[in-house]
Parts: sequence; C-alpha cells; structure tokens
Amino acid sequence: GENVEQHPSTLSVQEGDSAVIKCTYSDSASNYFPWYKQELGKRPQLIIDIRSNVGEKKDQRIAVTLNKTAKHFSLHITETQPEDSAVYFCAASKVSNYQLIWGAGTKLIIKP
Amino acid sequence: DTGVSQDPRHKITKRGQNVTFRCDPISEHNRLYWYRQTLGQGPEFLTYFQNEAQLEKSRLLSDRFSAERPKGSFSTLEIQRTEQGDSAMYLCASSPSGFTGGGEQYFGPGTRLTVT
Repeated sequence: GENVEQHPSTLSVQEGDSAVIKCTYSDSASNYFPWYKQELGKRPQLIIDIRSNVGEKKDQRIAVTLNKTAKHFSLHITETQPEDSAVYFCAASKVSNYQLIWGAGTKLIIKP
Repeated sequence: DTGVSQDPRHKITKRGQNVTFRCDPISEHNRLYWYRQTLGQGPEFLTYFQNEAQLEKSRLLSDRFSAERPKGSFSTLEIQRTEQGDSAMYLCASSPSGFTGGGEQYFGPGTRLTVT
C-alpha cells in the first residue's frame, strides 16, 4: 500500500524567510497530493493541492512542486509570518477513491 | 454555517460503553470520510462513503466499529465496548466527486473521545 514520508518533523525559521517541507510517496499510481495546515486543537485545513498532470502550483505565498519520476513533492512558503506557525501535513491518494494517506506532519515555528 | 459539522464535540465515556458520533457533510458533497487522529500524529483513514454506499474500510476499523450513511446525507460512527485505546479525535470530511475538480476534502471540527 501507499506510504508517505514527510521531513522535517520540526522546522524553525525566522519571520520573513522561506520554509520548505518535503514528502515522498511510494505508490506510483497516486495522483492527487494535498497539503493541510492544522493549528493546535483545530481541524485540518486544505491550503493547496496538486494533481499529477501538473508540475507546480502557486497560490500567493504558497507553492507546491511535484516530481513524479522521483515520487516526491514539496511545499514552499515564502515571506513567512507568525500566523504560518502550525503543523503541516502532506498526503497522497488516487483520484479513484481519494483515500488520503498522510505524512507524519511538520511543526513549523516562525521566530519573530 | 455551510461547512462540515460534527456532534458531539467532546465525549467522555467509561470503558465498555457504546458511543455514537454524527457527521453532517457539506450538502452538495457525495463523498464522506471518517478519520482518527491521536496527538502528534496525522489522521488515519477509517472508512468512506460514496452517497450511501460504504466503499472502503481500513483494517483499523475493528468489529467494534460501524459506520452508516443511510440516506447519503449525514453519517454516524458507532464504537461498541469502548477501550482506552479508542481515545482520539474522530474527524469527518466530505468532498465532491468527479475526475476534475473533485477530491478536495473539507474537515469537520472533530469529536474528541476520552475513554476512562
């Protein structure tokens, strides 16, 4: 079955700097890759997603890149702000059922 | 509020009791998912429905767990004979289906279960 690995587990960056979180997946049939942000005690919130027919997608300060050959995808956050502090999860699934397999999460800390 | 809702938000129960949780998805979404999340971990898939049909169940879903979505709208998740290991946040999500533009899962606030 699918397995998703996520790194790093904790990332501390200075406010204003960029943050990059990386994930790898094992099932080459996976073709949908969302990223979720979860603040303490709150629900996961979808922040961006990418499908396998696209190599990169951007939404304001957030971008996701996908390398199908290497089976990895990354989240990039530029000009980080204190409100970006949260746990970020990557996930992978097939379009056939959208059963999400999740990474273990990255705790992002923005230092003022 | 037109988002996914869950009830109750918190449930404390004694070991051995049965509990039932409810999820109301976004009205036009025909897919509904249940996940379990423990502290410091990502959500784990439990089961999902397309309309009223339960299409997949995780091996995590033991015989003590059952889920229904009788009319393709709200769903219930029941845990029988609860154990302390069942303590977790139970999350529900819904999504539209369709090859293009579908699949985005939107989560409810969760039901936090504590088994004493």
